[in-house]
Amino acid sequence: QQQVKQSPQSLIVQKGGISIINCAYENTAFDYFPWYQQFPGKGPALLIAIRPDVSEKKEGRFTISFNKSAKQFSLHIMDSQPGDSATYFCAARSGNTPLVFGKGTRLSVIA
Amino acid sequence: DAGVIQSPRHEVTEMGQEVTLRCKPISGHDYLFWYRQTMMRGLELLIYFNNNVPIDDSGMPEDRFSAKMPNASFSTLKIQPSEPRDSAVYFCASSSWLWGYTFGSGTRLTVV
Repeated sequence: QQQVKQSPQSLIVQKGGISIINCAYENTAFDYFPWYQQFPGKGPALLIAIRPDVSEKKEGRFTISFNKSAKQFSLHIMDSQPGDSATYFCAARSGNTPLVFGKGTRLSVIA
Repeated sequence: DAGVIQSPRHEVTEMGQEVTLRCKPISGHDYLFWYRQTMMRGLELLIYFNNNVPIDDSGMPEDRFSAKMPNASFSTLKIQPSEPRDSAVYFCASSSWLWGYTFGSGTRLTVV
């Protein structure tokens, strides 16, 4: 049972464009929604996170948009750069439970 | 701090052999997680510990898998006997209070 559904599986974006990755969930008890970034040969690293009491959080070129009623959240990468090419994972958790991860999106930013 | 340290980085073993993966968490972190990453299934939680005590091992696929955390600075994941379908990247992660996991660089296991 996949608790967090992530799309698309892969994404190709032109340099300077906007990358958008979406996640959907069913468990309304989820109260923490992070995004992780993984480069080849490395472990995932926390990129940005949001809690359901806000609809948007921005850190530099990275923004999480959260829609509680639709049970969806998304990652936007503005002015995408080749260095952003990586695999991105959304995740969620509720209370004292561990994170559950989406299956990941492989982003390629081409010049 | 050097981060979460995993060893070995790569392991190639023959089917039926015992494999032991090792992890040193970040000092002061009281949670430790073992994840397995494959293309088909993504990141799967195998087991996690809190203060060295196993809390949930429901993700461990079979009795062939076992994990221990004898002290706050060391954990092992053992597969005995190993099978080709166990081939994957295994990650260890640690955190405080279930927030902000820090992952190690992983162990790429190939069972031939």
